[in-house]
Amino acid sequence: DQQVKQNSPSLSVQEGRISILNCDYTNSMFDYFLWYKKYPAEGPTFLISISSIKDKNEDGRFTVFLNKSAKHLSLHIVPSQPGDSAVYFCAAANNAGNMLTFGGGTRLMVKP
Amino acid sequence: DGGITQSPKYLFRKEGQNVTLSCEQNLNHDAMYWYRQDPGQGLRLIYYSQIVNDFQKGDIAEGYSVSREKKESFPLTVTSAQKNPTAFYLCAIGTSGNTGELFFGEGSRLTVL
Repeated sequence: DQQVKQNSPSLSVQEGRISILNCDYTNSMFDYFLWYKKYPAEGPTFLISISSIKDKNEDGRFTVFLNKSAKHLSLHIVPSQPGDSAVYFCAAANNAGNMLTFGGGTRLMVKP
Repeated sequence: DGGITQSPKYLFRKEGQNVTLSCEQNLNHDAMYWYRQDPGQGLRLIYYSQIVNDFQKGDIAEGYSVSREKKESFPLTVTSAQKNPTAFYLCAIGTSGNTGELFFGEGSRLTVL
């Protein structure tokens, strides 16, 4: 039973437009949510995170929104750039922070 | 140069052979993790260790073994009991605090022929 789900395996966006990546979770004990970016044959790199006490966190072109009642979070990238093309993983941690549970990933392709 | 080093980056083995993947860190972090990545399935936790000489099973520990004799080293052995060993293996360390943020190595791709 997947506790963190990314229902869109891929997303294609034009350069300059907004990219919206979605993630749903089922475990109400999750306290922190994170987004990672991954290029082929490399390890994931941390992008942005949000605590469950917030509903929005912004860092430059990247904004994460959290809707606790819907158990849903999203990552907005604006404006999208070709270098943003990668696989994006959503992840969640409980308040002990011992382990991250990852979603299946969404492959983002930003076309020039 | 600080960070996490995984080796080898690529490894080919015959079916039935045990394989050990190395993970070394010089960032002095206590917590270390092994994840496996398969296409479309995200990252799944194999084992983790929060302190020397102690480790815990993750979600998919069957067919794997680990040791944590030194703080800086957390090797993973893929045994012949692992039914589908071909995958991309990622080692990570836990950063400070309890936000769950992990710092990953470059990964090791194992292909079993």
